[in-house]
Amino acid sequence: KAGVTQTPRYLIKTRGQQVTLSCSPISGHRSVSWYQQTPGQGLQFLFEYFSETQRNKGNFPGRFSGRQFSNSRSEMNVSTLELGDSALYLCASSLWARYTEAFFGQGTRLTVV
Amino acid sequence: DQQVKQNSPSLSVQEGRISILNCDYTNSMFDYFLWYKKYPAEGPTFLISISSIKDKNEDGRFTVFLNKSAKHLSLHIVPSQPGDSAVYFCAAINPAGGTSYGKLTFGQGTILTVHP
Repeated sequence: KAGVTQTPRYLIKTRGQQVTLSCSPISGHRSVSWYQQTPGQGLQFLFEYFSETQRNKGNFPGRFSGRQFSNSRSEMNVSTLELGDSALYLCASSLWARYTEAFFGQGTRLTVV
Repeated sequence: DQQVKQNSPSLSVQEGRISILNCDYTNSMFDYFLWYKKYPAEGPTFLISISSIKDKNEDGRFTVFLNKSAKHLSLHIVPSQPGDSAVYFCAAINPAGGTSYGKLTFGQGTILTVHP
């Protein structure tokens, strides 16, 4: 059974640009969540999607957005990149997103220069 | 507002001994807790979980204990192995209302080093 797949693994962008990250959840999982990990803030929740609907959103500015497709694949977009957006972005999938375990992908390492 | 806290940034133990990782939480609405293990530049790997209706859950070398009155949980690894060296995160879920979906609240992590 394939795990959670995130692409690309590494990305370097310039300030002001935008970026799109992709996540393919485990087959059959309908919930996809996104997290940002930085040394100073740890793992912070960005948002969660279930059946193409955003059900929950963390405390991040509107530059961070996402969507989910009918096959449960999800993308997150960050516009007008800032140096502080440099982080490891993690995607997690789960069956029902409340009492089931979330399985994480390997993450996308974004560096903003 | 750090609702889940891991007060020990690091822990060092000898191979074969017990590793005890601790986690405290402040939100009494949390009712499901998970432990994850993470290597650098990789995603967290699920280890073990516990519901608030239980006080103990075991899976092989890993046991999680929950003390609801103290809002404290711990992960015991027995015996510890060098391959267990990683960052360990505890996480909690609050099921109240629609703001809980998909949201794990993580502690800051504890770096475990197991020496051969």
